[in-house]
Amino acid sequence: DAKTTQPTSMDCAEGRAANLPCNHSTISGNEYVYWYRQIHSQGPQYIIHGLKNNETNEMASLIITEDRKSSTLILPHATLRDTAVYYCIVKRYSGAGSYQLTFGKGTKLSVIP
Amino acid sequence: DAGVTQSPTHLIKTRGQQVTLRCSPKSGHDTVSWYQQALGQGPQFIFQYYEEEERQRGNFPDRFSGHQFPNYSSELNVNALLLGDSALYLCASSLRESGEKLFFGSGTQLSVL
Repeated sequence: DAKTTQPTSMDCAEGRAANLPCNHSTISGNEYVYWYRQIHSQGPQYIIHGLKNNETNEMASLIITEDRKSSTLILPHATLRDTAVYYCIVKRYSGAGSYQLTFGKGTKLSVIP
Repeated sequence: DAGVTQSPTHLIKTRGQQVTLRCSPKSGHDTVSWYQQALGQGPQFIFQYYEEEERQRGNFPDRFSGHQFPNYSSELNVNALLLGDSALYLCASSLRESGEKLFFGSGTQLSVL
């Protein structure tokens, strides 16, 4: 699975959009980009994933560049409850197979009142 | 609908002892994975169970073992505890065909003294 690079920490004003970048320059064609977050004292929570098209769900949007070497997770209107560590993970989709996610240290997002 | 539940929430053991951690998956899920999260680090994959068998294993010694029961619940056993085993142990469940969309419990905090 390709390696990812994320900033260690970011701040965002409450109510503004939070844009979290992830670099995955060695991604291969069959690898997906997954985002999870971990709020303090809780387990990680799945946010969204995508292959090459932009994706949106009730939690966030995922923008993947055309060359797929980087992506951005967007929380459109950040709230204090979005303060968490955000993990970007690149993983080959294995269908009914591997569930081994490789977590890095992620980005610590602090939403400021 | 209950999510992933883990017990106990906290545990204190001494070096050399053995410990058993328990996990009940989200209703309808058939696959359970276990992760270890040291302080300040991302979760690290231990192993995954499906149909009561260990299907995949991360880089952990044989002191770490597990079991899955017919009702899909799971146990993680650690023998001959070391100080370095102190960590948050996370259980994640999923449907086998859903790939890497995992649902995590809040974890068991294990302290080895």
